[in-house]
Amino acid sequence: DQQVKQNSPSLSVQEGRISILNCDYTNSMFDYFLWYKKYPAEGPTFLISISSIKDKNEDGRFTVFLNKSAKHLSLHIVPSQPGDSAVYFCAASESPGSARQLTFGSGTQLTVLP
Amino acid sequence: DAMVIQNPRYQVTQFGKPVTLSCSQTLNHNVMYWYQQKSSQAPKLLFHYYDKDFNNEADTPDNFQSRRPNTSFCFLDIRSPGLGDAAMYLCATSRGNEQFFGPGTRLTVL
Repeated sequence: DQQVKQNSPSLSVQEGRISILNCDYTNSMFDYFLWYKKYPAEGPTFLISISSIKDKNEDGRFTVFLNKSAKHLSLHIVPSQPGDSAVYFCAASESPGSARQLTFGSGTQLTVLP
Repeated sequence: DAMVIQNPRYQVTQFGKPVTLSCSQTLNHNVMYWYQQKSSQAPKLLFHYYDKDFNNEADTPDNFQSRRPNTSFCFLDIRSPGLGDAAMYLCATSRGNEQFFGPGTRLTVL
């Protein structure tokens, strides 16, 4: 049973336009959400995060929105650049016993077309 | 630069032949994780160490073992690899909310 779902395996966007990547979760105990970016032959790299006490967090071109009632979060990238082409993973965690454990979605391949 | 290093980057083994993957970190983080990621799937947590305390996920097969001899190093031992164990294995560290990943080891089982 997937607790974190990214229903779009791929997304193509024109350079300069907005990219919107979506993520849904089912576990209401999740209280912290993260986005990771992964290039081929590299490990995932942390991009941006949001705590459940917020509904928006912004960092430069990247903004994450959290809708707790819908159990939905999204990552907005604006303007999109060709270098943003990568796989984006959504991840979530709940208050840990001993350590933060992340549950990942299956990823969305973003392609930004020049 | 502080980082998470995984060796080797590519590992080929034969069916049933034990294999060890290694991970080291210069971040001095107290938590280290091992994930398995198969193509087009989410990374799946196998186990993690909080300092020396080992935490195994309930569905991690007994075929997978881990060792953490010190803060900097962590090993993943696959005792008898099967064809279904071919995957990318990711090591990660954390001290707080975020995890920092190594580049992964791609395991091929012949």
